[in-house]
Amino acid sequence: DIQMTQSPSSLSASVGDRVTISCRASQSVSTYLSWYQQKPGKAPKLLIYAASTLQSGVPSRFRGSVSGTDFTLTITSLQPEDFATYYCQQSYFTPYTFGQGTNLEIK
Amino acid sequence: QVQLVQSGAEVKKSGASVKVSCRASGYSFTSYLIHWVRQAPGQGPEWVGMIHPSGGSTTYAQKFQDRVTMTRDTSTSTVYMEVNSLTSEDTAVYFCARESSLWVANDYWGQGTLVTVSS
Repeated sequence: DIQMTQSPSSLSASVGDRVTISCRASQSVSTYLSWYQQKPGKAPKLLIYAASTLQSGVPSRFRGSVSGTDFTLTITSLQPEDFATYYCQQSYFTPYTFGQGTNLEIK
Repeated sequence: QVQLVQSGAEVKKSGASVKVSCRASGYSFTSYLIHWVRQAPGQGPEWVGMIHPSGGSTTYAQKFQDRVTMTRDTSTSTVYMEVNSLTSEDTAVYFCARESSLWVANDYWGQGTLVTVSS
């Protein structure tokens, strides 16, 4: 199975900050990488697909990028509603594995 | 609007089976793959498998190959996932999710079904 390694596992930031979350695949997944946001007791919400394409309705402060097997989710100017847990997921080979998550907390 | 509505919470004994349903509405049911993802308490999501409602073809994670069966009923736009030989490690919230038409990503999700397995 492809391993997805996210970092950091937790992150404290303030409203207005710019934050970066990383996700590394254990082998090439091309651009078959998505980012999800999850809030407690809720289903994950799709933010980014194909590594860098913004899902419809998602604010433009969310950006995805890729360099080889390294993927990055950047949130510019954090808003109060952005404090949540973020997961990456590869969908290149089954099983479609997730990263272990990054918990973004208010500083 | 697109909706996926799942069946209610279940409590099962070890060794039993559970069948969770996911009823789709607001789109062409047979045109989109449905994935199942589970999430144990305090853990990240785990992909279980997927089904194409059109022909019923399935792909399961090898970990679940022998214990999971996904089916669909096109007359009611419902997909089902049955898990057999439950253990406490199967205690989790189970989500169904539609695969986007644009990419292999899940754009709509059910509300989740908590399955609790007790000994």
